[in-house]
Amino acid sequence: DSGVTQTPKHLITATGQRVTLRCSPRSGDLSVYWYQQSLDQGLQFLIQYYNGEERAKGNILERFSAQQFPDLHSELNLSSLELGDSALYFCASSVAERAIEQYFGPGTRLTVT
Amino acid sequence: KNEVEQSPQNLTAQEGEFITINCSYSVGISALHWLQQHPGGGIVSLFMLSSGKKKHGRLIATINIQEKHSSLHITASHPRDSAVYICAALRSTDKLIFGTGTRLQVFP
Repeated sequence: DSGVTQTPKHLITATGQRVTLRCSPRSGDLSVYWYQQSLDQGLQFLIQYYNGEERAKGNILERFSAQQFPDLHSELNLSSLELGDSALYFCASSVAERAIEQYFGPGTRLTVT
Repeated sequence: KNEVEQSPQNLTAQEGEFITINCSYSVGISALHWLQQHPGGGIVSLFMLSSGKKKHGRLIATINIQEKHSSLHITASHPRDSAVYICAALRSTDKLIFGTGTRLQVFP
């Protein structure tokens, strides 16, 4: 158990809908990272927050947004969902601002039908 | 061409065999991660290294910065080692770029 929690574990929704994925980092970790793992693209970095502020951005679509709250949990919002958004979404956390060592959550499996 | 390449893509071994998974990268990095993804999907960080060699139990990771190459070795492999092994390069921009993974199956 990495200490990182993600909810929900599974999510099934229809195209065009909006969903919110939640991540709670390990106690004491200030950085949260979001990753997408799809069958055709593999693992891709989406975005990083550090202590409430956006720190780095990767291949995140404009339809996706994220935020980190004062209690350090983070939410990833996915809107206008398309079939291609079906994937495993992982969050990871680290104590530092730099991604030296990360602890991964169990992931949220999103299926868009 | 992917910035991070892994080989082989698939690997089958008998229990007890010595296993090597290779990772080559074409970009400047500040560190390289090795991750293990279990069949259920969970990801575990195995190593983070920026030079030399690290060992944890039966796992050994090495990196050659000049050659832009890293290897993950598993000694005395066991069926519970069956998983996908992923290397990920940490760029100076602090973004992780992932390889496509090596699927390992170890049979008893």
